[in-house]
Amino acid sequence: AQSVAQPEDQVNVAEGNPLTVKCTYSVSGNPYLFWYVQYPNRGLQFLLKYITGDNLVKGSYGFEAEFNKSQTSFHLKKPSALVSDSALYFCAVRENTGFQKLVFGTGTRLLVSP
Amino acid sequence: NAGVTQTPKFQVLKTGQSMTLQCAQDMNHEYMSWYRQDPGMGLRLIHYSVGAGITDQGEVPNGYNVSRSTTEDFPLRLLSAAPSQTSVYFCASSYVTSENSPLHFGNGTRLTVT
Repeated sequence: AQSVAQPEDQVNVAEGNPLTVKCTYSVSGNPYLFWYVQYPNRGLQFLLKYITGDNLVKGSYGFEAEFNKSQTSFHLKKPSALVSDSALYFCAVRENTGFQKLVFGTGTRLLVSP
Repeated sequence: NAGVTQTPKFQVLKTGQSMTLQCAQDMNHEYMSWYRQDPGMGLRLIHYSVGAGITDQGEVPNGYNVSRSTTEDFPLRLLSAAPSQTSVYFCASSYVTSENSPLHFGNGTRLTVT
């Protein structure tokens, strides 16, 4: 069965510094990987996805993610963090179905300090 | 478009009571799903549906029922509420025909069972 792991409960970074939120995955077959963000008292919002092609995927709000097949990782990155990026971030993998039956990680809270 | 609408936003139940969490989407999405979010456990899939009249179980289906009589609506029924069902519940939908279209989430229902 597919699974994802987010090893860090929380990541702290100063505004203007680069940020990385880690995710590793386990799948049988081709990985379909996603990042979602959750702001307080809201549902999750889609950030970006990796299906196939370039290992560096660009998404919303200046975020990007690097797919690494040999390390089975899909880390979320941003070159310069903003205080408004503070939120809960979820990595997810799609099961081998033809629809969006996603398995989510436990989430990583990102705190960006001014 | 309203997107995915969940009602109510908050609910308090006593153990043994039943209730229905409502979910409606106006994007003509074939796929709809229910997740629960608990601290440290991320989001776990309860039930899902790939179209009217078709439902299936997710990871944590016990204590919950669903039905899908229309494309727009996907209610979640708690048959006899238990304190272990205290959680935040999210409904999410997406297209099936465009298999990697992202999930759209509602803003959640916060349920407390006493």
